[in-house]
Amino acid sequence: QSALTQPASVSGSPGQSITISCTGTSSDIGKYNYVSWYQQHPGKAPKLMIYDVSDRPSGVSNRFSGSKSGNTASLTISGLQAEDEADYYCSSYTTLATRVFGGGTKLTVL
Amino acid sequence: EVQLVQSGAEVKKPGESLKISCKGSGYGFSSYWIGWVRQMPGKGLEWMGIVYPGDSQTKYSASFQGQVTISADKSINTAYLQWSSLKASDTAMYYCARQYRSASESDYWGQGTLVTVSS
Repeated sequence: QSALTQPASVSGSPGQSITISCTGTSSDIGKYNYVSWYQQHPGKAPKLMIYDVSDRPSGVSNRFSGSKSGNTASLTISGLQAEDEADYYCSSYTTLATRVFGGGTKLTVL
Repeated sequence: EVQLVQSGAEVKKPGESLKISCKGSGYGFSSYWIGWVRQMPGKGLEWMGIVYPGDSQTKYSASFQGQVTISADKSINTAYLQWSSLKASDTAMYYCARQYRSASESDYWGQGTLVTVSS
């Protein structure tokens, strides 16, 4: 199972919106609505930000939203804040009954 | 409060065996899957496999099948990741994380265990 494809880096200014894409195949993202997104700050454990494509866990800011079209999922962060600077990973369930992560995207807040 | 507490950092030599642990508390440990995720230095997250403590069912990523063993002891609310013969390429941070279903997201994570394999 190959890793999902994410851009290596994205950047935006405070207050702006950014979108991170995550491209898979018809065997993972395209087949299931089990896409999740994680935020990881340096030296810290990952934190769940979005699950089931577009649901937010309790306590996660509504500035974070998720969507999916075909084999590609997306994470949008609106009203960028300095604290959003981190690495972001997507993940999907697969037809092999396993999960797979994307390669990760480094978000820089300018 | 849900917590996953992992065992401490390890320094091992190539060829040695190792078993690291992940102790869950604050929820019904037997009713949730526990997964393991590898993060090599400066690299991304890799899903290794999961175990269901209720019946010890396991699923592995093809990349890790046969390379590691994942297990759990529900009597002490603890999941394990073990190697029989470590390699330098096993040097990484390893995280455990809880999943409600085998298909679902990882909602709570341990703090990570750093494994260093060096001669």
